[in-house]
Amino acid sequence: KAGVTQTPRYLIKTRGQQVTLSCSPISGHRSVSWYQQTPGQGLQFLFEYFSETQRNKGNFPGRFSGRQFSNSRSEMNVSTLELGDSALYLCASSLFSGDNEKLFFGSGTQLSVL
Amino acid sequence: QQQVKQSPQSLIVQKGGISIINCAYENTAFDYFPWYQQFPGKGPALLIAIRPDVSEKKEGRFTISFNKSAKQFSLHIMDSQPGDSATYFCAASRTDKLIFGTGTRLQVFP
Repeated sequence: KAGVTQTPRYLIKTRGQQVTLSCSPISGHRSVSWYQQTPGQGLQFLFEYFSETQRNKGNFPGRFSGRQFSNSRSEMNVSTLELGDSALYLCASSLFSGDNEKLFFGSGTQLSVL
Repeated sequence: QQQVKQSPQSLIVQKGGISIINCAYENTAFDYFPWYQQFPGKGPALLIAIRPDVSEKKEGRFTISFNKSAKQFSLHIMDSQPGDSATYFCAASRTDKLIFGTGTRLQVFP
């Protein structure tokens, strides 16, 4: 059974640009959550999608957005990139919304903003 | 607002020693406390978890100690091995999102 797949693994962008990250959950999982990981801050919750609907949202500006498709794959978009957006973006999937006990993470997309 | 505080930020332990990582939380509504292990280039993976109705949970060399009145919980790694070298995150949740600590980088030297 394939795990959570995130693409691309690495991205380099410049300030002001926008970026789209992709996440394919474990087969059968319908919930996808996104986290931002930075040194010293740990993992911070961005949002969760379940059945194509945003179920929960963290405390991030509106430049951060996401969506989920009918096949449960999810994308995250960051517009007008800032230097502080440089981070590892992690996607996690689970069968059900809010199922924190069975949360599986992908390896992440490392975003560098220059 | 950081609702889960984790310490230390980094830890160096000799092989065979005990590694101890501590976390404190603020929200008494939290009812699930997992620990995640992350190796370089990988995402976090669930290591062990506890609910507040027990004070201790042990799985192999890994033990969680939970103190509900103090709102603290800790991870103990007995007989630490070089393969345990990784970053460890504590977390807490109720029914929605997980709130993570800031992480502890553990290095175990032979």
